[in-house]
Amino acid sequence: QSALTQPPSVSGSPGQSVTISCTGTSSDVGSYNRVSWYQQPPGTAPKLMIYEVSNRPSGVPDRFSGSKSGNTASLTISGLQAEDEADYFCISYTSSSTPWVFGGGTKLTVL
Amino acid sequence: EVQLVESGGGLVQPGRSLRLSCAASGFTFDDYAIHWVRQAPGKGLEWVSGISWNSGVINYADSVKGRFTISRDNAKNSLYLQMNSLRAEDTALYYCAKDISSYGYVGAFDIWGQGTMVTVSS
Repeated sequence: QSALTQPPSVSGSPGQSVTISCTGTSSDVGSYNRVSWYQQPPGTAPKLMIYEVSNRPSGVPDRFSGSKSGNTASLTISGLQAEDEADYFCISYTSSSTPWVFGGGTKLTVL
Repeated sequence: EVQLVESGGGLVQPGRSLRLSCAASGFTFDDYAIHWVRQAPGKGLEWVSGISWNSGVINYADSVKGRFTISRDNAKNSLYLQMNSLRAEDTALYYCAKDISSYGYVGAFDIWGQGTMVTVSS
């Protein structure tokens, strides 16, 4: 079982906004700002979209944004495009014996 | 071009060993922490191990602790993962991934390889 909880799937129409949640505990998301988000289209390697909760690497569109409240981090994608359809994973630093844990992943479908 | 290329995967029997390699190019390898992340077929991502730029910090997931050993050779721009006592549940695509922070260890992976497949089966 994944340490971080993500919804298995979300969907939205082109142009709409969607938010993917990543819920942890006070031992991980709630205590550290080392939360990252990855996009993985089928058959490809993951791509870093957000790091340290809300920072975007160069080249990532500003349609992608990250935030955190309490034990839950969120990835918001605005102005949905067909190319955004992919699996999305969060990861957080944790004080447990395994220092980084991923969420189970969320499949985004663009209707 | 900034690139990571994994190699060394294959079919191995339970209990046997395998050594994965990750060759880096296009960036100053010895400035960055590097991690191994795996993905079982049809499943999510699992962080496996990480090593800081100077090998001063090394971490493992509980699922591999005591069986896997991560190391790096900065002179050869290479990362390794020695995997012993392999189990069926270690079957996965193994990626190496570069940490985004120079001289840091922040767990944000901005460059990934294409992965090398490890299959543990009799």
